Amino acid sequence: SAVISQKPSRDICQRGTSLTIQCQVDSQVTMMFWYRQQPGQSLTLIATANQGSEATYESGFVIDKFPISRPNLTFSTLTVSNMSPEDSSIYLCSVDGPSGGSYNEQFFGPGTRLTVL
Amino acid sequence: QKEVEQDPGPLSVPEGAIVSLNCTYSNSAFQYFMWYRQYSRKGPELLMYTYSSGNKEDGRFTAQVDKSSKYISLFIRDSQPSDSATYLCAIPEGGSEKLVFGKGTKLTVNP
Repeated sequence: SAVISQKPSRDICQRGTSLTIQCQVDSQVTMMFWYRQQPGQSLTLIATANQGSEATYESGFVIDKFPISRPNLTFSTLTVSNMSPEDSSIYLCSVDGPSGGSYNEQFFGPGTRLTVL
Repeated sequence: QKEVEQDPGPLSVPEGAIVSLNCTYSNSAFQYFMWYRQYSRKGPELLMYTYSSGNKEDGRFTAQVDKSSKYISLFIRDSQPSDSATYLCAIPEGGSEKLVFGKGTKLTVNP
């Protein structure tokens, strides 16, 4: 299994500012995913990031609000831009596992707990 | 209708109880069904997966799929305080890497 770390683990930010979340994996992976987990809501996929190409965003999420970088096979960042209190959430990154795509196991980082005032 | 529905609970049981956690789904094309466990302030981790209908057992955990009624279950026997966590069902969308998650059920096992 992959070991994933995220920075920061938590942050409190002011409305209108931006925060960049880092995700580091201990092995090279093809696909990295960014999720949002809001209280009482499903874990929701924001975007999929492949190295060397633009991230693919899910319906309801746009690049201007959540720009993503994927400079190499072990690292990705997610920026939450022009934040509002509605962006308060846990943000998680995950990577695809070695299952060969049959059941799409994903390994998750510990999450970044964001509070926007 | 959401693709995956899960009662968020919370669910509180005494130690040793049998726990039943459930999800329903809407897309009959789904083939794989997964259960993730998430401890407080941690990321989810895969607990079990099943393919198509039937049961799969792993120690005290049993995953069950009924495709005719689009219903999946996770049973925990002899529940322990260490089982206290949020349990999320997840289903891979066919033809993509995307996982569709239920809201998660928060379980507390009281000693």
